[in-house]
Amino acid sequence: DTQMTQSPSSLSASVGDRVTITCQASQDISNYLHWYQQKPGKAPNLLIYDASNLETGVPSRFSGSRSGTDFTFTISSLQPEDVATYYCQQYHNLPLTFGGGTNVEIK
Amino acid sequence: QVQLQESGPGLVKPSQTLSLTCTVSGGSISTGSYYWSWIRQPAGKGLEWIGRIYASGSANYNPSLKSRVTILVDTSKNQFSLKLSSVTAADTAVYYCARGPVYDSWGQGALVTVSS
Repeated sequence: DTQMTQSPSSLSASVGDRVTITCQASQDISNYLHWYQQKPGKAPNLLIYDASNLETGVPSRFSGSRSGTDFTFTISSLQPEDVATYYCQQYHNLPLTFGGGTNVEIK
Repeated sequence: QVQLQESGPGLVKPSQTLSLTCTVSGGSISTGSYYWSWIRQPAGKGLEWIGRIYASGSANYNPSLKSRVTILVDTSKNQFSLKLSSVTAADTAVYYCARGPVYDSWGQGALVTVSS
């Protein structure tokens, strides 16, 4: 299986802060990575697809990038409504796998 | 925008088979280069991919569950289904259906509890 090592597992930041989450793949997955936001009791919501493409309707403060097998997800200016758990997911290799999640809170 | 909705029993006894159906509306399950997936999430934990199926009927499963999982598609009803056999308490989770490869459409989730 392709392991997705996501860090940190949780973070607390102030409104307006820049927040960065990383996912490291255990093998090459090219750009086949998505980022999701999940709020309690809700299904995951796609934010970024194929490593760096912003899903339609998603605010531009969210972004993603890739360097080799390292992927970065950034919230440029944290807003109260961004409190959620964020997951990465690779779909290059079977089985598809998710990162462990990052719980984002407001300080 | 396509919509997905899970349905099925919310309570399953240990050793029995969990069965869920995902109904797709707002678009044909046979259109485009999509595949249709099941994903689950135990309470307070992360997401686990169970498997996927194409409209052709070709399916792939997570090896961790492969011996117990069957995913089928019924294009005439615009539905796909999940069967998980020999369930235990560890299979208690919210089960989601979703459209891939860009997972932009998800069902709301169905809580399935395994208990006697």
